[in-house]
Amino acid sequence: ETGVTQSPTHLIKTRGQQVTLRCSSQSGHNTVSWYQQALGQGPQFIFQYYREEENGRGNFPPRFSGLQFPNYSSELNVNALELDDSALYLCASSPDRVLRETQYFGPGTRLLVL
Amino acid sequence: EDKVVQSPLSLVVHEGDTVTLNCSYEVTNFRSLLWYKQEKKAPTFLFMLTSSGIEKKSGRLSSILDKKELFSILNITATQTGDSAVYLCAVGGGSNYKLTFGKGTLLTVNP
Repeated sequence: ETGVTQSPTHLIKTRGQQVTLRCSSQSGHNTVSWYQQALGQGPQFIFQYYREEENGRGNFPPRFSGLQFPNYSSELNVNALELDDSALYLCASSPDRVLRETQYFGPGTRLLVL
Repeated sequence: EDKVVQSPLSLVVHEGDTVTLNCSYEVTNFRSLLWYKQEKKAPTFLFMLTSSGIEKKSGRLSSILDKKELFSILNITATQTGDSAVYLCAVGGGSNYKLTFGKGTLLTVNP
């Protein structure tokens, strides 16, 4: 059984550009959540997808958007990048409806915006 | 707004010491409290607690939840250098299944 995987591992972009981050959920998991972790902070909830539909969103602007595919993998898109978007982006998957809070995290994508 | 506060923010101990990490929370419609260990990137799941007073144990780690006083503790006995990490506390609640995290406790175990 493979765990949660994310790509790329690192990324450097400039202000105003757009970025797409990818996540493959753990086998059998149908829920994917995305978090942003700034240096020295705990992860902040961006949004969650359950069976291809958005199932809740945190305090992030609309330029943060996402998708979930039929195989439950997911993408996080960020438009018009700002310097403050520099962070570790974590994806987490959960096994089923009842245990959806037991989230298993991938290794993250470290994004640097210059 | 949901809130999770961890203390201390950092801690330095010697191998063999016992440590207690604290987590207090305010969250609407509390469902669960989770502990994670973060060494480099991916937070690794440790425990999920939903009921007061029931201790969960895994080797040298244990945790307990007090839903009346709204806090949890994570104990690590006989610490080892491999326990050095950031320990994150997260709470689940509300209409979706998001987790609200504290800032974490940075534990450093010196040989």
